[in-house]
Amino acid sequence: GENVEQHPSTLSVQEGDSAVIKCTYSDSASNYFPWYKQELGKGPQLIIDIRSNVGEKKDQRIAVTLNKTAKHFSLHITETQPEDSAVYFCAVPSQGGSEKLVFGKGTKLTVNP
Amino acid sequence: EAQVTQNPRYLITVTGKKLTVTCSQNMNHEYMSWYRQDPGLGLRQIYYSMNVEVTDKGDVPEGYKVSRKEKRNFPLILESPSPNQTSLYFCASSLSIRVDTEAFFGQGTRLTVV
Repeated sequence: GENVEQHPSTLSVQEGDSAVIKCTYSDSASNYFPWYKQELGKGPQLIIDIRSNVGEKKDQRIAVTLNKTAKHFSLHITETQPEDSAVYFCAVPSQGGSEKLVFGKGTKLTVNP
Repeated sequence: EAQVTQNPRYLITVTGKKLTVTCSQNMNHEYMSWYRQDPGLGLRQIYYSMNVEVTDKGDVPEGYKVSRKEKRNFPLILESPSPNQTSLYFCASSLSIRVDTEAFFGQGTRLTVV
């Protein structure tokens, strides 16, 4: 099955700084790479995703980059704000496109005012 | 409002006492699944369902049962709970069975088995 490694497990930044979270995966056939944000006391929520036919996707202050050759993708948050504090999960399809996602172990991001 | 609703939000129970966590979605989604979230282990899938009466095991199905008698409901059943099932549980649903479809998660159920 698919193996997903997510780093770092915790990340603390000052408000206004950038934050980067990276995930590596093992199955080269994987073609869909979402990122979910889990705020305290809530369920995860999709914030951005990328498909294997593009290398980068942006949505305001967040962006995801994909390196298929190296089999890793990253979440970039610029101009961080306290409300960005949350746990972030990456995910990849199990077995290169089957009907379920395999999630990374999560990164707890803290943005200090 | 489109949502996935889990009940209860918090539950403390004793070892061996059967319990059910309910999950309901109002979006007419085909795909539903259950996850457990543990510190340092992230989200692990317990069971999933691709449609009514179609269920399959996820990565950690031992000790759990599910049913999908109606499209909107997907209860998680613990026949004989044990302390190692103490965890935070999430139900999720997606419009289709395609993995590249957004998953909508419920608010979570924090279960403690003593």
